[in-house]
Amino acid sequence: GQQVMQIPQYQHVQEGEDFTTYCNSSTTLSNIQWYKQRPGGHPVFLIQLVKSGEVKKQKRLTFQFGEAKKNSSLHITATQTTDVGTYFCAGHRGSTLGRLYFGRGTQLTVWP
Amino acid sequence: NAGVTQTPKFQVLKTGQSMTLQCAQDMNHEYMSWYRQDPGMGLRLIHYSVGAGITDQGEVPNGYNVSRSTTEDFPLRLLSAAPSQTSVYFCASSKGGAPVIAEQFFGPGTRLTVL
Repeated sequence: GQQVMQIPQYQHVQEGEDFTTYCNSSTTLSNIQWYKQRPGGHPVFLIQLVKSGEVKKQKRLTFQFGEAKKNSSLHITATQTTDVGTYFCAGHRGSTLGRLYFGRGTQLTVWP
Repeated sequence: NAGVTQTPKFQVLKTGQSMTLQCAQDMNHEYMSWYRQDPGMGLRLIHYSVGAGITDQGEVPNGYNVSRSTTEDFPLRLLSAAPSQTSVYFCASSKGGAPVIAEQFFGPGTRLTVL
């Protein structure tokens, strides 16, 4: 079954609006990663969160890892057309060596 | 470094045919994985490996075989292709590590159509 749930599946925003995608795991994660996939491309690593309650920023992107290490979010402030793509979270459980559990992704469309 | 390479880029098969999707990485990564991507289903793990000679099943292993005889290569074999295996296939690799896993590097993908 789905180990990591991600919502929403689709998000359509006008350029300049904010965007958030959420991930939730049924079990505690040792770390969580975020990837971006442009249309027609392959997933590209964005960031990794390891510590409970961790918050990291990359320009307009803010990533959070929950206190219980079971949930995470990605927030984009003032979206731009270059943000278009699918954003995936991927969690790792320390008990399953070498394996990432991917969420189904949130497909972001930005209208100019 | 070429990173993660996959061949072929595109492939059309008839039902029942077999083939091997190739994946190679030149980063000396211990971990390698195969995913398939279908619309609305995200990335589903087929098989993965934590080192040469070690493989394990992922979420959707049926109909696929893998082997890892070297650190660099991780081929995926379709034993008898079925239309349900029409998909985009991604290979990925990462450095070894526990309990925190390192970032995965993805290949460009193979788009497979089974008629």
